[in-house]
Amino acid sequence: GAVVSQHPSRVICKSGTSVKIECRSLDFQATTMFWYRQFPKQSLMLMATSNEGSKATYEQGVEKDKFLINHASLTLSTLTVTSAHPEDSSFYICSVRLQEKLFFGSGTQLSVL
Amino acid sequence: AQSVTQPDIHITVSEGASLELRCNYSYGATPYLFWYVQSPGQGLQLLLKYFSGDTLVQGIKGFEAEFKRSQSSFNLRKPSVHWSDAAEYFCAVCSSSNFGNEKLTFGTGTRLTIIP
Repeated sequence: GAVVSQHPSRVICKSGTSVKIECRSLDFQATTMFWYRQFPKQSLMLMATSNEGSKATYEQGVEKDKFLINHASLTLSTLTVTSAHPEDSSFYICSVRLQEKLFFGSGTQLSVL
Repeated sequence: AQSVTQPDIHITVSEGASLELRCNYSYGATPYLFWYVQSPGQGLQLLLKYFSGDTLVQGIKGFEAEFKRSQSSFNLRKPSVHWSDAAEYFCAVCSSSNFGNEKLTFGTGTRLTIIP
């Protein structure tokens, strides 16, 4: 069965609006979750590491004020794309590490018009 | 910096035929190597991984991969594909020191289509 649940699977929004993506670990607690992004015809790239109860760690080149990460509980991390623009259109996917394996959500395809 | 190349963007194979998906990596030290599969609407699922030891690793769903250091390759194989194998396949690499930080570097993926 699924280990990680990610919602929504697809979102279309207008430029300037904010979009929230949820990542939930099912049946286990995750102190750390990971957010990746994939632009068309490019590789999945790690954006940030979400830590429960503390600030997220962002990879170089990722704007922390634009991609807000909240990990308020041991089963939920959210990624909010603030003031989204067309260049933010991408595939976003979260993952959780459990017993040395990475489990991924099903991803969110974001399209900003 | 580490990198992964999947030369084939899209591959079409007849059901029952054999399959080989290519993956080449660039990394100075011994890498940790992974193959993931993503079916439509699903998350990425780990097929197999190589950390050390036997260079031929067996994975789930009848897949195997062979680590060839001399060729910097980690190609994925299956002797006979099934229609349910149609999906996107990703090769990934990370350093042993980075594994705990999940700094996986992914390839761009290979989309596999199965025809009757």
